[in-house]
Order: sequence, then structure tokens, then C-alpha cells
Amino acid sequence: DAGVIQSPRHEVTEMGQEVTLRCKPISGHNSLFWYRQTMMRGLELLIYFNNNVPIDDSGMPEDRFSAKMPNASFSTLKIQPSEPRDSAVYFCASGNTQYFGPGTRLTVL
Amino acid sequence: KNQVEQSPQSLIILEGKNCTLQCNYTVSPFSNLRWYKQDTGRGPVSLTIMTFSENTKSNGRYTATLDADTKQSSLHITASQLSDSASYICVVTPLGGNKLTFGTGTQLKVEL
Repeated sequence: DAGVIQSPRHEVTEMGQEVTLRCKPISGHNSLFWYRQTMMRGLELLIYFNNNVPIDDSGMPEDRFSAKMPNASFSTLKIQPSEPRDSAVYFCASGNTQYFGPGTRLTVL
Repeated sequence: KNQVEQSPQSLIILEGKNCTLQCNYTVSPFSNLRWYKQDTGRGPVSLTIMTFSENTKSNGRYTATLDADTKQSSLHITASQLSDSASYICVVTPLGGNKLTFGTGTQLKVEL
């Protein structure tokens, strides 16, 4: 099993651009979580899905952030427009035991 | 507000020594408490998961303890190795939910 797969691993973009982060959960896992990690705030849950349905998106910072899970094997987290304060490492985790992916390091200039 | 606090914030020990990391939480009731290890540049990896009824759980040289009465947990690392250098994060799951509450972590460095 390849584990949770995230892409890209690194993303550098300019303020105002759209950013799309991708996640492929472990096959058979019904739940998927998006987290953001910064030095100041640690790990924060942004949103989680159960059976492809968003259950709790109260952690999504603002309307610039959106997440989708069109099927059981794929999810996206989109930021539009991006801002420098969005710079962080974004993790996807799958399953109730929450296996984490390697993360996407986002830098917004 | 549910909180998870960890101490110390950082720790340096010599290879081969033991150490204990602390976690105090206010999440109540909770379904489980986890300890994660996060290497630099990588995602967190689960070390132990304990339900509220468990007192201890081991994973190799890692042993976690839980005292639900005092709302404290500890992670003991035996015979530390250089590869133990990482951030250790205590995480609590509230009862009936999937929304984890994360501690800010203890940064451990093991030196020769």
C-alpha cells in the first residue's frame, strides 16, 4: 500500500493566484481529513469528509478555501485567491486512525 | 475550550538515555488519546492509541500511559536513538466525534 498520496509536495505561487492541492487516500478508508500546520498554530483541522460527504468544515479559514471529494479515491483543497498568510504545510489524512500523507508545503509570495 | 498542553516544549538528551514527555488535556469526555511522531518534513505517524479505559500502551521503545482521572498522559522513550529526534504530538479525540484536538508538541533532539 502506497499510503496517503499528496501532490504537489511543494508549491510556490504568487499572491492572488489559485492553488489546488490534491490527495489520494488509502483505499478502503471512508474518512478523509485536511489539516494545515504552521509554526505559530500547530496542526489545525480544516475540513473532514465521511463517505465523500463534508461533515465538518468549521475549520476552513474563509471563503477563499474550498474542498471537494468527488469520489472515494480523490480530494482537492483549493485556495482562491491565495495570500501570503496561507503559507503552511497542508496535510491530508485518511481513515479513522488518521494516516497522514507527506504534506504539501505551500509558499505564497 | 478543549485544550491539549504538552511539556516540555523542547528537550535535548544523550543517545541511550530515557526520557518522558507529558501531556495534559481538558477534552472531556474523550474516546481516545494518541501520540504521534513527526519527523522534520514529514507527516505525523501514529505511535500509540489508547481508549479512555486503557492505562498503558507500548510500541517498541515507546510506552504511553494514561490517567483519565487527572487527565494526564505521558510518553516514555527507552534507550533513545538518534532517529528519535522529532516532534512528538499528543492528540485527543472527543467522544462521538472525529475532530482531533492537537497539542503543540515536544521537540526532542537526541545527541551523541
